[in-house]
Amino acid sequence: QKEVEQNSGPLSVPEGAIASLNCTYSDRGSQSFFWYRQYSGKSPELIMFIYSNGDKEDGRFTAQLNKASQYVSLLIRDSQPSDSATYLCAVTHSGGYQKVTFGTGTKLQVIP
Amino acid sequence: EAQVTQNPRYLITVTGKKLTVTCSQNMNHEYMSWYRQDPGLGLRQIYYSMNVEVTDKGDVPEGYKVSRKEKRNFPLILESPSPNQTSLYFCASSQDKNYGYTFGSGTRLTVV
Repeated sequence: QKEVEQNSGPLSVPEGAIASLNCTYSDRGSQSFFWYRQYSGKSPELIMFIYSNGDKEDGRFTAQLNKASQYVSLLIRDSQPSDSATYLCAVTHSGGYQKVTFGTGTKLQVIP
Repeated sequence: EAQVTQNPRYLITVTGKKLTVTCSQNMNHEYMSWYRQDPGLGLRQIYYSMNVEVTDKGDVPEGYKVSRKEKRNFPLILESPSPNQTSLYFCASSQDKNYGYTFGSGTRLTVV
């Protein structure tokens, strides 16, 4: 079982729709959860982080965390063509060290 | 401007010829890390550092060395590169593992 799993996609949504990206993780002691966006040929860029169960909203982005189900998701409202990118889920490991594991990413395509 | 600077951006080398990829950050971050990114495998952590002179192995450390003699610099050393180290490499820094990483622009390495 991979430590952090994401559907590779591509996930295609029409412009203006809600895009829902999902991630599951295996380390029950994980404490911090991140979503990065990576445009083709570019470096990953942090867009959201969440530590507590529930929802966290930032503009058009909402991160959702359910530690009991070991599940974290990212919702993008009013999707724009500029949101087309690969979205990486990342999870810190328990134990107080800097090990951060990334999923392989979900490619999102927003169709104009 | 707050940034992580990697050099070079592109490098083609031959098997066995020692090389160093430099990484420098100007944000006074304590935590730094190296990742490699390969199609289908995502970002995998090579080494990380929690402070000057404190480093530890990530998931794929074989064939790599690092050093952290100064807080701002974290070079990646390949003492005898092999073709399976052909990859896209990213350096990243963070003030704390729970705050997410800022990534450099990447180094595309080809070993022939």
